[in-house]
Amino acid sequence: EAGVAQSPRYKIIEKRQSVAFWCNPISGHATLYWYQQILGQGPKLLIQFQNNGVVDDSQLPKDRFSAERLKGVDSTLKIQPAKLEDSAVYLCASSPRLSGGGRVTQYFGPGTRLTVL
Amino acid sequence: GENVEQHPSTLSVQEGDSAVIKCTYSDSASNYFPWYKQELGKGPQLIIDIRSNVGEKKDQRIAVTLNKTAKHFSLHITETQPEDSAVYFCAASNAGGGADGLTFGKGTHLIIQP
Repeated sequence: EAGVAQSPRYKIIEKRQSVAFWCNPISGHATLYWYQQILGQGPKLLIQFQNNGVVDDSQLPKDRFSAERLKGVDSTLKIQPAKLEDSAVYLCASSPRLSGGGRVTQYFGPGTRLTVL
Repeated sequence: GENVEQHPSTLSVQEGDSAVIKCTYSDSASNYFPWYKQELGKGPQLIIDIRSNVGEKKDQRIAVTLNKTAKHFSLHITETQPEDSAVYFCAASNAGGGADGLTFGKGTHLIIQP
C-alpha cells in the first residue's frame, strides 16, 4: 500500500512571497490533516478535513494560510504572504474512517521543508 | 485545549539497556494516546498506541502504560538497539468524535550508545 505523498520536498522562498504544498493521502482515507512542525518541536495541527469538509481549522492562521481538499482526495495548503516564522516542515497525515469513528490511526507523509528568507 | 508535556528532552542509554519516556496530558476528555518515532528527514511513524480503556499494551520490545487518574502515560523500550536512535513523540486526542487532531509533546531525542 502506497503511503501519504507530499510535494515538493523542499522549498525556499523570500518573505512576502506565496507558496503551495500538495498532499495525496493513502487511497480510501477519508480524513486528512495538515500539521506544522517547527524545528525542535512536535507537530502542531493546522487543519483537519473529513472528505472535502473542514472539521477543525481553529489553529490555522487564516489571514495568511488557506487549505482546500477538492473532491475529497488530494489537498493543497497555501501561504500568502509568507513570514520568516513560517519556516518549518509541513506534514500531511491521513486516517481511515470506519463507521462509528473507531479507527483513528494517523499516517504521516515525509513532509515539505519550507525555508523563508 | 489539550496540553501535552514530555520528559526528558534528551535520553542517552547504553545499547541493551532500557529507555523510558514520560508524558502528561491536561484534558480529561482525551482517550487516544499514540507514540511516534521520527528519523531525520522523515515523517513521524506510529510505533504503538493505547486507548483509555486499556492500562497497558505491549508489542515485542515496546510497551506503553496509561494512568488515567494521574493523566500520564509512558513509553518503555527494552533491549535497546542502535536503530532505536531517533526522536520520539507522544500525543493525545479525543478520538471518535469529529475533531480528533493530535496534540504532540515536544519530543525526546533518544541516543543509543554502542
